[in-house]
Amino acid sequence: EAQVTQNPRYLITVTGKKLTVTCSQNMNHEYMSWYRQDPGLGLRQIYYSMNVEVTDKGDVPEGYKVSRKEKRNFPLILESPSPNQTSLYFCASSPSSGYYGYTFGSGTRLTVV
Amino acid sequence: AQKVTQAQTEISVVEKEDVTLDCVYETRDTTYYLFWYKQPPSGELVFLIRRNSFDEQNEISGRYSWNFQKSTSSFNFTITASQVVDSAVYFCALSEAGSGNTGKLIFGQGTTLQVKP
Repeated sequence: EAQVTQNPRYLITVTGKKLTVTCSQNMNHEYMSWYRQDPGLGLRQIYYSMNVEVTDKGDVPEGYKVSRKEKRNFPLILESPSPNQTSLYFCASSPSSGYYGYTFGSGTRLTVV
Repeated sequence: AQKVTQAQTEISVVEKEDVTLDCVYETRDTTYYLFWYKQPPSGELVFLIRRNSFDEQNEISGRYSWNFQKSTSSFNFTITASQVVDSAVYFCALSEAGSGNTGKLIFGQGTTLQVKP
């Protein structure tokens, strides 16, 4: 089944403890992206990647890192999480940016205390 | 600047009623893509439709239909004979294809649809 897999689905962590949210797609998509969803602010892009080893900042990249060493994986790294990073995170992939639409993962609900 | 506006924050209907969700967008690009996504209570984002700026054909898929009008920059979504399972938050989104294209989806704020039995 074609899908984008995010793990974990739920995570509660403490301020400052490094964490990684994994994202993997099995559709050989070139384009991958991370979004966060917050009440009143909607969905905002954090980082995106046009292809392997090509990543760039979205609208809200502060406090996040990403890497794209393989086409299928695009992990989101929080080096020192803070409470303002409590959010619902989505990974998305597409054959290329825009034209074909995007497949989203199931989401990761992160709480930083 | 790009922007997507979903003016209806919440809509409540009774089952079997028809309901239209409005979406108005702003972009300077001549080539762009419009999307609708559904977010059920379980939280995932489910793709419903993609429309290119050069294709103004309306589309029907079962009980769902979409009306794309470039003249009014609108991409409205109608659910016919609504069902309780249609209860969700619906997002309209825009992606531009112009130079500097980042593939970013610009989402509207979403419309929460509640269908009562």
